[in-house]
Amino acid sequence: AQSVTQLDSQVPVFEEAPVELRCNYSSSVSVYLFWYVQYPNQGLQLLLKYLSGSTLVKGINGFEAEFNKSQTSFHLRKPSVHISDTAEYFCAVSGGGSNYKLTFGKGTLLTVNP
Amino acid sequence: DSGVTQTPKHLITATGQRVTLRCSPRSGDLSVYWYQQSLDQGLQFLIQYYNGEERAKGNILERFSAQQFPDLHSELNLSSLELGDSALYFCASSVRGDTYNSPLHFGNGTRLTVT
Repeated sequence: AQSVTQLDSQVPVFEEAPVELRCNYSSSVSVYLFWYVQYPNQGLQLLLKYLSGSTLVKGINGFEAEFNKSQTSFHLRKPSVHISDTAEYFCAVSGGGSNYKLTFGKGTLLTVNP
Repeated sequence: DSGVTQTPKHLITATGQRVTLRCSPRSGDLSVYWYQQSLDQGLQFLIQYYNGEERAKGNILERFSAQQFPDLHSELNLSSLELGDSALYFCASSVRGDTYNSPLHFGNGTRLTVT
């Protein structure tokens, strides 16, 4: 079984400040990790993914995430946020192989204030 | 625009009723997924179809059923509705059936309110 824990349900930050959204996972097999973003009244869209290789993954809109196998974490970071980054962010894990299920965390609401 | 179309956008119905949610995947995508999003449960995977066949099942209630048609659109049928079924229902599609190498593209969802 696989699961995802997003440690913060809400993260308020000021514009141009750095931000880190935390995600821990558990899985009994190799994992593939994802971050999705949901803007108000929209569906989810893929920010970035880790499948293999370099543990530092760069995504769209200046976001990046680091896969840490020993700490079973996949934290999302951005060095300087904008008002337009206000959205809900979801971490997700897939076990790969015949495991087609993508399991999502409960989400972190990032609010960027002026 | 993800290319995934969900109809209707909003649905209000009474307990005990039956509704059908419709999803048209992105052009070229063979796989369709249904998710339920609620405040208390978060995003829950319901079911996946690949090229017309059921591929994986998640936390889907027996009162719910789905199918994928030959033209690849999918329908999610919810029956004997209860207040607790009120949620946002998302459809997603991908080119292939594996979620790790074939990213999901989500529609904007159908908001179901059961009164």
